[in-house]
Amino acid sequence: GAGVSQTPSNKVTEKGKYVELRCDPISGHTALYWYRQSLGQGPEFLIYFQGTGAADDSGLPNDRFFAVRPEGSVSTLKIQRTERGDSAVYLCASSPGLAVQETQYFGPGTRLLVL
Amino acid sequence: AQSVTQLDSHVSVSEGTPVLLRCNYSSSYSPSLFWYVQHPNKGLQLLLKYTSAATLVKGINGFEAEFKKSETSFHLTKPSAHMSDAAEYFCVVSLFGNEKLTFGTGTRLTIIP
Repeated sequence: GAGVSQTPSNKVTEKGKYVELRCDPISGHTALYWYRQSLGQGPEFLIYFQGTGAADDSGLPNDRFFAVRPEGSVSTLKIQRTERGDSAVYLCASSPGLAVQETQYFGPGTRLLVL
Repeated sequence: AQSVTQLDSHVSVSEGTPVLLRCNYSSSYSPSLFWYVQHPNKGLQLLLKYTSAATLVKGINGFEAEFKKSETSFHLTKPSAHMSDAAEYFCVVSLFGNEKLTFGTGTRLTIIP
């Protein structure tokens, strides 16, 4: 079946602009996660949702970052007043639930470049 | 807090020889541990995971890892490397099952023909 999809695959923006990154999880998966991967680093946790609510947003770097999942399926990561340091690959993952035996399935990522 | 340390940023092996990628973890509680692989321009894929059952965990593509609590290690091994194994490998820890994952900095595996 279809995996996790993310759009756009690439996004180039100017410093100070607003961007939205979209994640379509695997159908039926209740948990959804956002990570950020900077060049040469491992992914870093940003936020995860169980259903519609953000269960843990402790990884969001500051209040310029916000994520929503209004209907418990698609999620949007929103970045206001982008800075060059926001340039990274933003990864989305989903899983059937939070049980330890569940697996997080990752999307291909959105590569964000802030000029 | 939990963390993982991948001891080698880059490992090169000849095709057909064994692979060893090293990982040490730090966790206040009994963690869940994972290895993920990332091929160029492809998404992260789960290789295997340890969740407090058997300490020797077998994964896909012939990989396996052994959880050693006394050494706080979770090294990834494969008896015979294949060219298709060339990729970036991440050791990952989770404190509470399938909640947020904490990734290591990665080990780039190069296979020499």
